[in-house]
Amino acid sequence: GENVEQHPSTLSVQEGDSAVIKCTYSDSASNYFPWYKQELGKRPQLIIDIRSNVGEKKDQRIAVTLNKTAKHFSLHITETQPEDSAVYFCAASIDGNQFYFGTGTSLTVIP
Amino acid sequence: DGGITQSPKYLFRKEGQNVTLSCEQNLNHDAMYWYRQDPGQGLRLIYYSQIVNDFQKGDIAEGYSVSREKKESFPLTVTSAQKNPTAFYLCASSVFSGADGYTFGSGTRLTVV
Repeated sequence: GENVEQHPSTLSVQEGDSAVIKCTYSDSASNYFPWYKQELGKRPQLIIDIRSNVGEKKDQRIAVTLNKTAKHFSLHITETQPEDSAVYFCAASIDGNQFYFGTGTSLTVIP
Repeated sequence: DGGITQSPKYLFRKEGQNVTLSCEQNLNHDAMYWYRQDPGQGLRLIYYSQIVNDFQKGDIAEGYSVSREKKESFPLTVTSAQKNPTAFYLCASSVFSGADGYTFGSGTRLTVV
């Protein structure tokens, strides 16, 4: 089956700096890649997603890039703010039902 | 709150007991999912259902059972056959397939005592 690896597991940045989280996947048939944010004690929430026919997608301060050849995709957060502190999960799916999640990145934004 | 409700928030189970976790949604979503979240690991799929009276096993279905008698409800039973049930369980739903993005419930933390 699909294997998704996520790095780093923890990340600390100064407020205002950028944060980058990277994921790799193993199955070239995967075609949908969502990112979820889980704040402490809360449920995961979808923050951005990308499909395999697109190389980059942006939504205000967050962006996701996809390199299908290398089978990796990344989350970029610019101008980080303390409220960006959370655990971020990447995921990959072939059929939109079976999702394979990364192990999560705990992001801390230092004021 | 989000249209998908899980209960209870905390659940304690004795060894050898079956317990059922509730998941209800009022979003009119067709698909529902159960995931297990362990520290240091990603979410792992237990079961999912795309339509009423039909469900499919995920990667870690052993020791679990589900039913989908109503579109709104997708309860998960953790049976005594599940060897390591202590975990955080998340229910999710989506319009049809997860490619529309999930809406997650707030989770149930199950502890075996």
